[in-house]
Amino acid sequence: GDSVTQMEGPVTLSEEAFLTINCTYTATGYPSLFWYVQYPGEGLQLLLKATKADDKGSNKGFEATYRKETTSFHLEKGSVQVSDSAVYFCALISNTGGFKTIFGAGTRLFVKA
Amino acid sequence: SAVISQKPSRDICQRGTSLTIQCQVDSQVTMMFWYRQQPGQSLTLIATANQGSEATYESGFVIDKFPISRPNLTFSTLTVSNMSPEDSSIYLCSVVGEMNYGYTFGSGTRLTVV
Repeated sequence: GDSVTQMEGPVTLSEEAFLTINCTYTATGYPSLFWYVQYPGEGLQLLLKATKADDKGSNKGFEATYRKETTSFHLEKGSVQVSDSAVYFCALISNTGGFKTIFGAGTRLFVKA
Repeated sequence: SAVISQKPSRDICQRGTSLTIQCQVDSQVTMMFWYRQQPGQSLTLIATANQGSEATYESGFVIDKFPISRPNLTFSTLTVSNMSPEDSSIYLCSVVGEMNYGYTFGSGTRLTVV
């Protein structure tokens, strides 16, 4: 079945460091890919998305490129801030599985000043 | 995107009791979903709430434990029945407009069963 694998956390970075959170997926068909962010004590928010191969999603300085050849959707940010501390979830919606979203396990990011 | 109001935001309940969680959306949506997020874990889909018909439950979740109502296209409830400490989790409702636009989530209900 469809699945999402993302790097284990926690990831601890200093402010202004470069961030990469790896995400790979397995899916039949051509899924849409998403990154969600969950700040402490809050629900999930959609961070960015990409719907087809080579699309780049971007928002709030975060980027991720849909790589079909490597089945990956790695999240990057050039310079993290303390306010980016949160849990990040990679997810997919497969066009062969209705509208169910498959989530990765989540990666907790700590950014220290 | 849709705006979701979910309540209560948190509750502490005695084991053996039931809690009903409400999810109100500011626009009509076809599909509503209920997720559980256990402490430190990812999200697990409980069921899809269908308007006018019974909910569709995922493997490991049953209607007797998690009855769901969906009386119209803007509202749904999830009841956690006969609670035990293992039910302590965050419960989230969500909606999706179209496949390519991702889900919108409510802020969640943090449930602690003592």
